[in-house]
Amino acid sequence: KAGVTQTPRYLIKTRGQQVTLSCSPISGHRSVSWYQQTPGQGLQFLFEYFSETQRNKGNFPGRFSGRQFSNSRSEMNVSTLELGDSALYLCASSLVSGSDYEQYFGPGTRLTVT
Amino acid sequence: DAKTTQPPSMDCAEGRAANLPCNHSTISGNEYVYWYRQIHSQGPQYIIHGLKNNETNEMASLIITEDRKSSTLILPHATLRDTAVYYCIVRGPHGSSNTGKLIFGQGTTLQVKP
Repeated sequence: KAGVTQTPRYLIKTRGQQVTLSCSPISGHRSVSWYQQTPGQGLQFLFEYFSETQRNKGNFPGRFSGRQFSNSRSEMNVSTLELGDSALYLCASSLVSGSDYEQYFGPGTRLTVT
Repeated sequence: DAKTTQPPSMDCAEGRAANLPCNHSTISGNEYVYWYRQIHSQGPQYIIHGLKNNETNEMASLIITEDRKSSTLILPHATLRDTAVYYCIVRGPHGSSNTGKLIFGQGTTLQVKP
């Protein structure tokens, strides 16, 4: 079974621009979560989607948004990019949303903001 | 969510068992213990999880103390490819609004040496 895929893998943007990242979960998985990883803050939860609904949101500004489609694929969008948004953005999928269901991570998208 | 405490780093000789400890003294009765690892710049990899009983899979064993205040991840025969950052995460409880998010600490950097 194919794993979680994320596109693009690498991205360079300029301050003030916006960016959209894509995540395709493992086939059959309906829950998708997004995380940001930086050297200073480590891995931080952004949000989780299940059945096209946002179930949980981390402590990030409104510039960070996401959505999930009926086929469970998810996108996250960052508007008005800042230098501090440079990070590895990771997507994880699980069968459903629940503590007893492990999340499987994709390889991430490396975003550099200049 | 219960917090976890892990040693920042550990060494292990190749071929020997690696025992990674984790303290989670504030864990509640229905919160799960999860272990992930992250090899440099890759997405975190799920290893194992448990609630009360010890668990074993093809990658590792998870030993949870009877009072559930601590746990140990055991890699029975460590190889150089097991060099990674290992994260112990307390998740849940099942059915709460926080089930979808993993809260990562700083983890333990395990260095497997020849």
